[in-house]
Amino acid sequence: AQSVAQPEDQVNVAEGNPLTVKCTYSVSGNPYLFWYVQYPNRGLQFLLKYITGDNLVKGSYGFEAEFNKSQTSFHLKKPSALVSDSALYFCAVREGQAGTALIFGKGTTLSVSS
Amino acid sequence: EAQVTQNPRYLITVTGKKLTVTCSQNMNHEYMSWYRQDPGLGLRQIYYSMNVEVTDKGDVPEGYKVSRKEKRNFPLILESPSPNQTSLYFCASSPTVIAGGGRRAGELFFGEGSRLTVL
Repeated sequence: AQSVAQPEDQVNVAEGNPLTVKCTYSVSGNPYLFWYVQYPNRGLQFLLKYITGDNLVKGSYGFEAEFNKSQTSFHLKKPSALVSDSALYFCAVREGQAGTALIFGKGTTLSVSS
Repeated sequence: EAQVTQNPRYLITVTGKKLTVTCSQNMNHEYMSWYRQDPGLGLRQIYYSMNVEVTDKGDVPEGYKVSRKEKRNFPLILESPSPNQTSLYFCASSPTVIAGGGRRAGELFFGEGSRLTVL
């Protein structure tokens, strides 16, 4: 069965510093990987996805994520954090060749201090 | 504007009183899905629909019903709500893509959420 783990409930970083939000996954086939962001009282917004190709994926708002097949990870990164990046981040996975359900991690709260 | 619209956004009800949360999308998406979000549990899928008149159970379907009579609408029905259904509900839609010889859901577009409290 597919699963996603976000090992940190919360990540704290100072504005201007690089940030990383961790995600590991488990699927039996090829993974389709996604990151979504949720701001307070809002729905989830798509940030980026990995389907195939280059392991480094660039997305919205300056975020990027690196697919690492050997470590089954898909960490979200940004070189310089902004206070406005503070939000709840979800990693999600779907097995590429089977099933339609997108399985979400439990979410990581990112707090960027000024 | 492309969007997924849910109503109501907020609702307080009592145990056993049937309610429906509506969901409508204007992007002509084939795939639609309902999730519930609970603290510490992330998002869990309730039901999904690959197309009109085609629905399937997700991970937590108990106590819920859905229907897909039209492509744009995917209402979530709680026939007899209970307090454990107090949650934040999200509807999502997606185009389908051809992959591996079959059709799969692509990137999800979410509604703004419906916060339901069952007393």
